[in-house]
Amino acid sequence: GESVGLHLPTLSVQEGDNSIINCAYSNSASDYFIWYKQESGKGPQFIIDIRSNMDKRQGQRVTVLLNKTVKHLSLQIAATQPGDSAVYFCAENYGGSQGNLIFGKGTKLSVKP
Amino acid sequence: EAQVTQNPRYLITVTGKKLTVTCSQNMNHEYMSWYRQDPGLGLRQIYYSMNVEVTDKGDVPEGYKVSRKEKRNFPLILESPSPNQTSLYFCASSLKYRGWTEAFFGQGTRLTVV
Repeated sequence: GESVGLHLPTLSVQEGDNSIINCAYSNSASDYFIWYKQESGKGPQFIIDIRSNMDKRQGQRVTVLLNKTVKHLSLQIAATQPGDSAVYFCAENYGGSQGNLIFGKGTKLSVKP
Repeated sequence: EAQVTQNPRYLITVTGKKLTVTCSQNMNHEYMSWYRQDPGLGLRQIYYSMNVEVTDKGDVPEGYKVSRKEKRNFPLILESPSPNQTSLYFCASSLKYRGWTEAFFGQGTRLTVV
């Protein structure tokens, strides 16, 4: 999930396949994590969140996995559709910072029909 | 309809000319914040506000000011814009200041400073 330089990591999948987008977060004290989807020309949209006392949470077609040991977060999208094409960001929130939300640099998901 | 509204959507200005980007939310959210988005850098928080008259710096506050005189509005002020403030700006609001149970983002303001 994290980009190097100016280039976003890109994931290209076939329509109907499952997608897995990864994110490494920075602060071991972070206790809340969110995945956002950003379509071209739009603001980020909330997809799913997870607290640090959980290691898995499922939504509609999406699952977030949290591995605190290696500070890793993943978003799984089942049966990926063309409408899922977007940039996906993970974000972390850590206690004591009163609401500061730190975003990852994003991963671009392209879905081939 | 629940929404966060930013204005203007697009703005081209010259170096040093003061400008304000407005942000308004109709959800009675306590928490509001401003982000800038730059290629390869993702979203970086500029300022946030936990409630009326309570504001605090985010990760990249230099060159920006904010105010929170009313719950619904959170304007971003650039007193003397410079070209390095050319960016895409997003305002966001949320019900809880910690946890970000579900943040709503505006449509963005694309600012170019020449």
